[in-house]
Amino acid sequence: GAVVSQHPSRVICKSGTSVKIECRSLDFQATTMFWYRQFPKQSLMLMATSNEGSKATYEQGVEKDKFLINHASLTLSTLTVTSAHPEDSSFYICSASERGPNYGYTFGSGTRLTVV
Amino acid sequence: QQQVKQSPQSLIVQKGGISIINCAYENTAFDYFPWYQQFPGKGPALLIAIRPDVSEKKEGRFTISFNKSAKQFSLHIMDSQPGDSATYFCAASIIQGAQKLVFGQGTRLTINP
Repeated sequence: GAVVSQHPSRVICKSGTSVKIECRSLDFQATTMFWYRQFPKQSLMLMATSNEGSKATYEQGVEKDKFLINHASLTLSTLTVTSAHPEDSSFYICSASERGPNYGYTFGSGTRLTVV
Repeated sequence: QQQVKQSPQSLIVQKGGISIINCAYENTAFDYFPWYQQFPGKGPALLIAIRPDVSEKKEGRFTISFNKSAKQFSLHIMDSQPGDSATYFCAASIIQGAQKLVFGQGTRLTINP
């Protein structure tokens, strides 16, 4: 089945620094990737949708200058949390969609970000 | 109209019993309805998914029942096991254009041994 690899799984950074999270589709080409944020005991909140080679579409209320998304290839998307603050601490999850007969959404294993 | 409403929020079932989680949607354009299982600290994993052209789909102990006219779908877990204890999310999307998944609020399932 489709596999999405997300790294790192955990990261601790100091307030004011930037953190990059990578999301790779290992065995399929992902034209579209999605980035979510999940707070404890809550559902997934979509932050943005990224299409390969074009600018990401951000959901209402998500600061695009703070959460930089790059989808430079059909297998890699990155999320950079810039000038991180403690309130950015959360669980970030990426997802990649596969089209055609194997249509579906595969999720990465998530990244636990802690800003101290 | 983009909402997917999921119930119950939490569910406790005895080992060997049937776990049932329900979802309802409003947008009739949705044509893909997956269920995901999530363990603490992990990303969601696809359990089973259904298209609106069928009323039921079964994979092992997991069954989706789909009622197009009522705009509802449900997940049934037969012979529930302690290892099934997790959070379950229903979702819906529109296949054309690989549009975003709309998630339900989640159900925390506990299977008592």
